[in-house]
Amino acid sequence: SYELTQPPSVSVSPGQTARITCSGDALPKKYAYWYQQKSGQAPVLVIYEDSKRPSGIPERFSGSSSGTMATLTISGAQVEDEADYYCYSTDSSGNHRGVFGGGTKLTVL
Amino acid sequence: EVQLVESGGGLVQPGRSLRLSCTASGFTFGDYAMSWVRQAPGKGLEWVGFIRSKAYGGTTEYAASVKGRFTISRDDSKSIAYLQMNSLKTEDTAVYYCTKIFGGSSGYSDYWGQGTLVTVSS
Repeated sequence: SYELTQPPSVSVSPGQTARITCSGDALPKKYAYWYQQKSGQAPVLVIYEDSKRPSGIPERFSGSSSGTMATLTISGAQVEDEADYYCYSTDSSGNHRGVFGGGTKLTVL
Repeated sequence: EVQLVESGGGLVQPGRSLRLSCTASGFTFGDYAMSWVRQAPGKGLEWVGFIRSKAYGGTTEYAASVKGRFTISRDDSKSIAYLQMNSLKTEDTAVYYCTKIFGGSSGYSDYWGQGTLVTVSS
Protein backbone atom coordinates (compact mmCIF):
# COMPACT_ATOMS: atom_id res chain seq x y z
CA SER A 1 0.00 0.00 0.00
CA TYR A 2 1.07 3.57 -0.64
CA GLU A 3 2.98 5.35 2.12
CA LEU A 4 4.07 8.88 2.93
CA THR A 5 7.17 9.19 5.12
CA GLN A 6 7.80 12.02 7.58
CA PRO A 7 10.47 12.49 10.26
CA PRO A 8 9.04 11.74 13.73
CA SER A 9 10.26 14.99 15.22
CA VAL A 10 11.73 18.39 14.41
CA SER A 11 12.95 20.88 16.98
CA VAL A 12 13.76 24.59 16.55
CA SER A 13 14.18 27.66 18.70
CA PRO A 14 11.64 30.49 18.44
CA GLY A 15 12.32 32.65 15.40
CA GLN A 16 14.16 29.92 13.53
CA THR A 17 12.95 28.24 10.37
CA ALA A 18 11.41 24.81 10.70
CA ARG A 19 11.26 22.44 7.74
CA ILE A 20 9.21 19.26 7.75
CA THR A 21 9.55 16.84 4.86
CA CYS A 22 7.19 14.27 3.38
CA SER A 23 8.31 11.72 0.83
CA GLY A 24 6.16 9.54 -1.40
CA ASP A 25 6.52 7.90 -4.79
CA ALA A 26 3.34 9.47 -6.20
CA LEU A 27 4.13 13.04 -5.15
CA PRO A 28 5.50 13.99 -8.58
CA LYS A 29 1.93 13.44 -9.88
CA LYS A 30 -0.20 14.17 -6.80
CA TYR A 31 -0.61 17.25 -4.65
CA ALA A 32 0.54 17.33 -1.04
CA TYR A 33 -1.50 18.87 1.75
CA TRP A 34 -0.46 19.74 5.29
CA TYR A 35 -2.47 19.65 8.50
CA GLN A 36 -1.60 21.05 11.91
CA GLN A 37 -2.96 19.29 14.98
CA LYS A 38 -2.53 20.80 18.40
CA SER A 39 -2.96 18.68 21.48
CA GLY A 40 -6.57 17.63 22.03
CA GLN A 41 -7.84 19.43 18.93
CA ALA A 42 -9.01 18.48 15.46
CA PRO A 43 -6.55 18.95 12.59
CA VAL A 44 -6.48 22.24 10.69
CA LEU A 45 -5.44 22.63 7.04
CA VAL A 46 -2.39 24.89 6.71
CA ILE A 47 -1.25 24.20 3.12
CA TYR A 48 -3.17 22.81 0.15
CA GLU A 49 -2.13 21.85 -3.39
CA ASP A 50 1.57 21.81 -2.45
CA SER A 51 2.00 25.51 -1.76
CA LYS A 52 -1.29 27.38 -1.31
CA ARG A 53 -2.23 28.85 2.03
CA PRO A 54 -5.85 28.92 3.23
CA SER A 55 -7.23 32.21 4.46
CA GLY A 56 -6.42 32.83 8.08
CA ILE A 57 -3.16 30.86 8.03
CA PRO A 58 -0.14 33.06 8.87
CA GLU A 59 2.25 33.90 6.05
CA ARG A 60 5.12 32.20 7.88
CA PHE A 61 3.63 28.87 6.72
CA SER A 62 4.66 27.88 3.19
CA GLY A 63 4.88 24.71 1.17
CA SER A 64 6.81 23.36 -1.77
CA SER A 65 7.17 20.12 -3.65
CA SER A 66 9.88 18.73 -5.86
CA GLY A 67 10.07 15.21 -7.20
CA THR A 68 9.10 12.71 -4.55
CA MET A 69 9.38 15.15 -1.63
CA ALA A 70 7.08 17.84 -0.30
CA THR A 71 8.22 20.31 2.34
CA LEU A 72 6.36 22.42 4.88
CA THR A 73 8.36 25.45 5.96
CA ILE A 74 7.57 27.61 8.97
CA SER A 75 9.67 30.76 8.72
CA GLY A 76 10.23 32.35 12.11
CA ALA A 77 8.51 29.60 14.08
CA GLN A 78 6.51 30.72 17.10
CA VAL A 79 5.87 28.88 20.35
CA GLU A 80 2.21 28.58 19.31
CA ASP A 81 3.27 26.60 16.22
CA GLU A 82 4.27 23.67 18.42
CA ALA A 83 2.03 20.84 17.21
CA ASP A 84 1.90 17.63 15.21
CA TYR A 85 2.01 18.13 11.45
CA TYR A 86 0.68 15.60 8.95
CA CYS A 87 1.13 15.51 5.21
CA TYR A 88 -1.69 14.07 3.11
CA SER A 89 -1.99 12.95 -0.47
CA THR A 90 -3.73 10.36 -2.59
CA ASP A 91 -2.47 7.21 -4.19
CA SER A 92 -1.98 6.81 -7.92
CA SER A 93 -4.71 4.17 -8.33
CA GLY A 94 -7.14 6.64 -9.89
CA ASN A 95 -9.66 6.04 -7.11
CA HIS A 96 -8.33 8.92 -5.01
CA ARG A 97 -7.76 6.85 -1.88
CA GLY A 98 -6.17 9.05 0.73
CA VAL A 99 -3.10 8.52 2.83
CA PHE A 100 -1.54 10.44 5.70
CA GLY A 101 2.09 10.57 6.65
CA GLY A 102 3.01 9.31 10.09
CA GLY A 103 3.16 12.82 11.49
CA THR A 104 5.97 15.07 12.75
CA LYS A 105 6.05 16.52 16.23
CA LEU A 106 7.34 20.10 15.99
CA THR A 107 8.88 21.41 19.19
CA VAL A 108 9.57 25.13 19.45
CA LEU A 109 11.65 26.01 22.51
CA GLU B 1 -20.00 28.90 9.16
CA VAL B 2 -19.29 25.26 8.34
CA GLN B 3 -20.02 22.93 11.25
CA LEU B 4 -19.62 19.16 11.44
CA VAL B 5 -20.83 17.34 14.53
CA GLU B 6 -20.12 13.66 15.00
CA SER B 7 -22.21 11.44 17.25
CA GLY B 8 -22.74 7.78 18.02
CA GLY B 9 -19.39 6.87 19.56
CA GLY B 10 -19.02 4.81 22.69
CA LEU B 11 -17.92 1.49 24.12
CA VAL B 12 -18.67 -1.60 22.03
CA GLN B 13 -17.59 -5.22 22.27
CA PRO B 14 -15.38 -6.85 19.63
CA GLY B 15 -17.40 -8.32 16.78
CA ARG B 16 -20.33 -5.96 17.31
CA SER B 17 -21.52 -3.04 15.17
CA LEU B 18 -21.80 0.70 15.64
CA ARG B 19 -23.05 3.53 13.44
CA LEU B 20 -21.59 7.00 13.58
CA SER B 21 -23.40 10.08 12.30
CA CYS B 22 -22.02 13.39 11.09
CA THR B 23 -24.50 16.26 11.02
CA ALA B 24 -23.41 19.10 8.76
CA SER B 25 -24.45 22.73 8.49
CA GLY B 26 -23.24 25.95 6.93
CA PHE B 27 -22.84 24.65 3.37
CA THR B 28 -24.82 22.88 0.63
CA PHE B 29 -24.21 19.36 1.89
CA GLY B 30 -25.29 17.56 -1.27
CA ASP B 31 -22.67 19.32 -3.39
CA TYR B 32 -19.67 17.90 -1.54
CA ALA B 33 -17.94 14.62 -0.89
CA MET B 34 -17.56 13.65 2.76
CA SER B 35 -14.92 11.54 4.44
CA TRP B 36 -14.02 9.84 7.70
CA VAL B 37 -10.58 9.89 9.29
CA ARG B 38 -9.61 8.16 12.52
CA GLN B 39 -6.89 8.51 15.12
CA ALA B 40 -6.02 5.74 17.55
CA PRO B 41 -4.99 6.91 21.04
CA GLY B 42 -1.53 8.47 20.86
CA LYS B 43 -1.18 7.62 17.17
CA GLY B 44 -1.33 9.44 13.85
CA LEU B 45 -4.18 10.13 11.47
CA GLU B 46 -5.54 7.29 9.35
CA TRP B 47 -7.75 7.86 6.31
CA VAL B 48 -10.83 5.61 6.52
CA GLY B 49 -12.79 6.42 3.38
CA PHE B 50 -15.08 8.85 1.61
CA ILE B 51 -18.34 9.16 -0.30
CA ARG B 52 -18.74 11.25 -3.40
CA SER B 53 -21.65 13.59 -3.96
CA LYS B 54 -24.71 12.29 -5.85
CA ALA B 55 -23.58 14.31 -8.87
CA TYR B 56 -20.60 11.97 -9.03
CA GLY B 57 -22.58 8.85 -8.37
CA GLY B 58 -22.40 8.83 -4.58
CA THR B 59 -19.74 6.15 -4.84
CA THR B 60 -17.37 5.25 -2.04
CA GLU B 61 -13.71 4.39 -1.48
CA TYR B 62 -12.22 2.74 1.59
CA ALA B 63 -8.89 2.03 3.20
CA ALA B 64 -7.81 -1.59 2.96
CA SER B 65 -7.96 -1.91 6.76
CA VAL B 66 -11.73 -1.34 6.83
CA LYS B 67 -12.93 -2.42 3.40
CA GLY B 68 -15.69 -4.99 3.66
CA ARG B 69 -16.44 -4.08 7.30
CA PHE B 70 -17.20 -0.34 7.15
CA THR B 71 -19.78 1.41 4.96
CA ILE B 72 -20.13 5.12 4.37
CA SER B 73 -23.50 6.51 3.31
CA ARG B 74 -25.23 9.87 3.17
CA ASP B 75 -28.69 11.39 3.51
CA ASP B 76 -28.61 14.68 1.65
CA SER B 77 -32.16 15.57 2.77
CA LYS B 78 -30.92 15.62 6.37
CA SER B 79 -27.32 16.77 5.71
CA ILE B 80 -25.96 13.72 7.49
CA ALA B 81 -23.12 11.37 6.63
CA TYR B 82 -22.90 7.95 8.26
CA LEU B 83 -20.19 5.46 9.04
CA GLN B 84 -21.54 1.96 9.62
CA MET B 85 -18.91 -0.15 11.34
CA ASN B 86 -19.39 -3.92 11.49
CA SER B 87 -17.25 -6.75 12.88
CA LEU B 88 -15.39 -4.28 15.04
CA LYS B 89 -11.92 -5.13 16.27
CA THR B 90 -9.93 -3.78 19.21
CA GLU B 91 -7.64 -2.04 16.71
CA ASP B 92 -10.61 0.05 15.51
CA THR B 93 -10.46 1.94 18.81
CA ALA B 94 -9.95 5.58 17.84
CA VAL B 95 -11.37 9.06 17.64
CA TYR B 96 -13.35 9.21 14.41
CA TYR B 97 -13.43 12.53 12.57
CA CYS B 98 -15.92 13.50 9.90
CA THR B 99 -14.54 15.85 7.27
CA LYS B 100 -15.95 17.88 4.39
CA ILE B 101 -14.07 17.43 1.15
CA PHE B 102 -13.27 20.39 -1.11
CA GLY B 103 -15.12 19.11 -4.14
CA GLY B 104 -17.83 16.70 -5.12
CA SER B 105 -15.79 13.81 -6.40
CA SER B 106 -12.52 13.86 -4.53
CA GLY B 107 -10.05 16.19 -2.90
CA TYR B 108 -8.74 17.20 0.44
CA SER B 109 -10.50 17.77 3.75
CA ASP B 110 -11.04 21.47 4.28
CA TYR B 111 -13.22 21.24 7.41
CA TRP B 112 -13.18 18.76 10.29
CA GLY B 113 -15.54 17.91 13.10
CA GLN B 114 -14.32 17.59 16.67
CA GLY B 115 -14.46 13.80 16.57
CA THR B 116 -16.21 11.03 18.48
CA LEU B 117 -14.43 8.32 20.45
CA VAL B 118 -15.07 4.67 19.66
CA THR B 119 -13.69 2.14 22.12
CA VAL B 120 -13.76 -1.53 21.16
CA SER B 121 -13.21 -3.67 24.21
CA SER B 122 -14.70 -6.64 26.02
